[in-house]
Amino acid sequence: KQEVTQIPAALSVPEGENLVLNCSFTDSAIYNLQWFRQDPGKGLTSLLLIQSSQREQTSGRLNASLDKSSGRSTLYIAASQPGDSATYLCAVYFGNEKLTFGTGTRLTIIP
Amino acid sequence: DAGVIQSPRHEVTEMGQEVTLRCKPISGHDYLFWYRQTMMRGLELLIYFNNNVPIDDSGMPEDRFSAKMPNASFSTLKIQPSEPRDSAVYFCASSWASGGPGNEQFFGPGTRLTVL
Repeated sequence: KQEVTQIPAALSVPEGENLVLNCSFTDSAIYNLQWFRQDPGKGLTSLLLIQSSQREQTSGRLNASLDKSSGRSTLYIAASQPGDSATYLCAVYFGNEKLTFGTGTRLTIIP
Repeated sequence: DAGVIQSPRHEVTEMGQEVTLRCKPISGHDYLFWYRQTMMRGLELLIYFNNNVPIDDSGMPEDRFSAKMPNASFSTLKIQPSEPRDSAVYFCASSWASGGPGNEQFFGPGTRLTVL
């Protein structure tokens, strides 16, 4: 069964620190992986999409990496800010016609 | 572009009533997805369309759920009759055809449904 796991479920970090969010998946034969952000009561916002042929993608203070062989992706957030507080979800496209979502990591940046 | 538009944003109804959720995808997008999000089960794909045609409805929980896409700019998700366990946030998302269903998806703000 193709599964996506995000640990920990919640994380609190002081403002200004760099942090890493983790995503693991059970099947290395992926097509792509996406990281989303979800604010309370809102929809999901796409942050980064990494194709299977790529190892990383960057957008501003965000950097996402992909290691298919180990079934892992990380989202690195540099110089965290209170506005980064949200739930972050990763989603994997295994080529089976749908995205498989992780359960998310709820991030709190402490001012 | 205004992004994916969903209505209503909140819906409170009584058990047994019919509920219709609406979605307008981003213009030019070929795929439309309906998701349900709950604390217990996370995000679940209910159904998706490609060029207005339903492709995979295996996630629709029961026959009480139905979805239509009469044209490229409008889709509905209907629950009839509704039950308390249908209470959730329902999201609509859309994407371009390139890359198939795994292409970058853009989500609407969701409809929070409460069935009493």
